[in-house]
Amino acid sequence: ETGVTQSPTHLIKTRGQQVTLRCSSQSGHNTVSWYQQALGQGPQFIFQYYREEENGRGNFPPRFSGLQFPNYSSELNVNALELDDSALYLCASSRGTSGGAYNEQFFGPGTRLTVL
Amino acid sequence: TQLLEQSPQFLSIQEGENLTVYCNSSSVFSSLQWYRQEPGEGPVLLVTVVTGGEVKKLKRLTFQFGDARKDSSLHITAAQPGDTGLYLCAGVGGAQKLVFGQGTRLTINP
Repeated sequence: ETGVTQSPTHLIKTRGQQVTLRCSSQSGHNTVSWYQQALGQGPQFIFQYYREEENGRGNFPPRFSGLQFPNYSSELNVNALELDDSALYLCASSRGTSGGAYNEQFFGPGTRLTVL
Repeated sequence: TQLLEQSPQFLSIQEGENLTVYCNSSSVFSSLQWYRQEPGEGPVLLVTVVTGGEVKKLKRLTFQFGDARKDSSLHITAAQPGDTGLYLCAGVGGAQKLVFGQGTRLTINP
């Protein structure tokens, strides 16, 4: 069973640019959640996708957007990058259900984004 | 807004000592989880506590969920250098999201 994978591992961008981060969910999982972890902080929830639809969003501006594909992999897009966007971006996959019960989330290793 | 406060944020102790990390909130969570995160990796789940007053043990680690389901603690007995890492508590909030504390960076010195 393949775990959650993320690409790229590291990325350096400049202010104002756009970035796309990718996540492949664990086999059998249909839900992907994205988190931002600033240096020295705990992860903060960005949004979650369940069966290709957004299923909850944290306190992040609209320039943070996402997609989930039919194979349940996911992308996180950030437009107009700011210095404060520098962080570790984590995705986590889980086996979601229509009833909404919480199921364990399995985290990928993250993408380290640096904005200069 | 649901928030979790962890204390202490940093802890450096000698091998063999005991320690306790606290996780507190003013909100009630349906369950609370503890994770450990190594550099360059994502958080790895250690335990989930669900019932108020629940105590779970994982070898030298003891986890407790407060009676009111607003707080939790992690106690490590006879700490070892291999216990070094970032420990995160997380509450299961609405919309299936996890609400994380800011983490406790633990260093065990040989």
